[in-house]
This record gives sequence, C-alpha cells and structure tokens, in this order.
Amino acid sequence: QKEVEQNSGPLSVPEGAIASLNCTYSDRGSQSFFWYRQYSGKSPELIMSIYSNGDKEDGRFTAQLNKASQYVSLLIRDSQPSDSATYLCAVNPPRNDYKLSFGAGTTVTVRA
Amino acid sequence: DVKVTQSSRYLVKRTGEKVFLECVQDMDHENMFWYRQDPGLGLRLIYFSYDVKMKEKGDIPEGYSVSREKKERFSLILESASTNQTSMYLCASSPTGGTGNTIYFGEGSWLTVV
Repeated sequence: QKEVEQNSGPLSVPEGAIASLNCTYSDRGSQSFFWYRQYSGKSPELIMSIYSNGDKEDGRFTAQLNKASQYVSLLIRDSQPSDSATYLCAVNPPRNDYKLSFGAGTTVTVRA
Repeated sequence: DVKVTQSSRYLVKRTGEKVFLECVQDMDHENMFWYRQDPGLGLRLIYFSYDVKMKEKGDIPEGYSVSREKKERFSLILESASTNQTSMYLCASSPTGGTGNTIYFGEGSWLTVV
C-alpha cells in the first residue's frame, strides 16, 4: 500500500465549477498535511497546509482533513483556467524526520 | 520569500560522466532534500540532510551521493550517469521546529543522459 494515494485524473471541470480532489494516507499517526500545485514544466508550490480535523479556507481553496478516515481533500471553488495544473498531496508521517511523503498527483483541467 | 536556487536548469550529459547538481537556499533552513520526479512515479526522495555534513538516504539513493559542506548548499552527485537517471531533479529545503515542516522547492533541473 502506498503511503499517500491520489486519483491520477485527469479531472476536467468547467470554468466556475468546484473541483474536488481527494487524498488518502496509510499512516494513522500523520500530523501534517499539504497541498502543492505544479504547473507543467514547473516545480511544486505550496498552496495549503492543514494540521487539525475540519476545514481550512484560503481564498478559493478549502482543505478538509479527517484523521479518523485518513483522508484529506482540496476543494477549488469558482475554478479558473489558471487552476489547470497537477495537485500533489503530501503527508508528514509520524516517524517525522522532516520528510514528506507525496502522492503521485491529480491533474486538473479547467475548460473555458 | 524563501528562495531555493538550482544553478543548472537544463543539462545533457553522456553515459558514464560525473554530474554535479548544485542547490542553494537563502532562508537558513536546517533541512535540505533532493527529489527526482518522473511521469507516473511522482516525487521520490533521493537524499536528505538535516544539518551540515549530515545526510540520510531516501527512497532511491542508488547511483547518487550528496554533499553538504555549508548550511545553505546541498549538492547532488551522479558518480557515473546512466540513461535511467534522465529525469527532473528538485532540490528543496525546510525549517526545523514549529508546525508543518513545510518544504519549499527550487525550480528544478532537467537532466538528460545520452
């Protein structure tokens, strides 16, 4: 079982819609969770971090964490063509030597 | 803003050559990382350093070595490049302590081994 799993997509959504991305992780003691956005040919950039159960909102992005079910999700509201990218879920496992485990990413395409 | 700089963005090397990839960060971060990213395989950790002269193997260290002589600089070395090392290499850094261990990436180095 992979440490962090994501649906690879592609996920295609119309402009203005909500894009919903899901991520599950295997290590129940994980404490820190991150979403990175990666445009084609570019490096990943951090867009959200979440540490507690519940929702965390930042602009059009909402991260949701459910530790009991071991999943973290990212919602992108009012999706724009500029949101077209690959979104990487990352988890800090409890053995914690400051490494992150990354999912393979979900590719999102926002069609105008 | 955190700045992680990878000096070589695009390289083409021959099989068997020794390759150096350099990375510098300007935020006084303790931790530095080298990842490679390949289609369908995601990000894989090659090596990690949590202090000067300290290093730990990641998930795929074979064929690679690293050097960290100064806190801000972390080098990845391919002792004898092979075609299966053609990839995008990402350097990253993160602080120690606090919450989150947020990792910041450099712009990436595209290596082609022919």
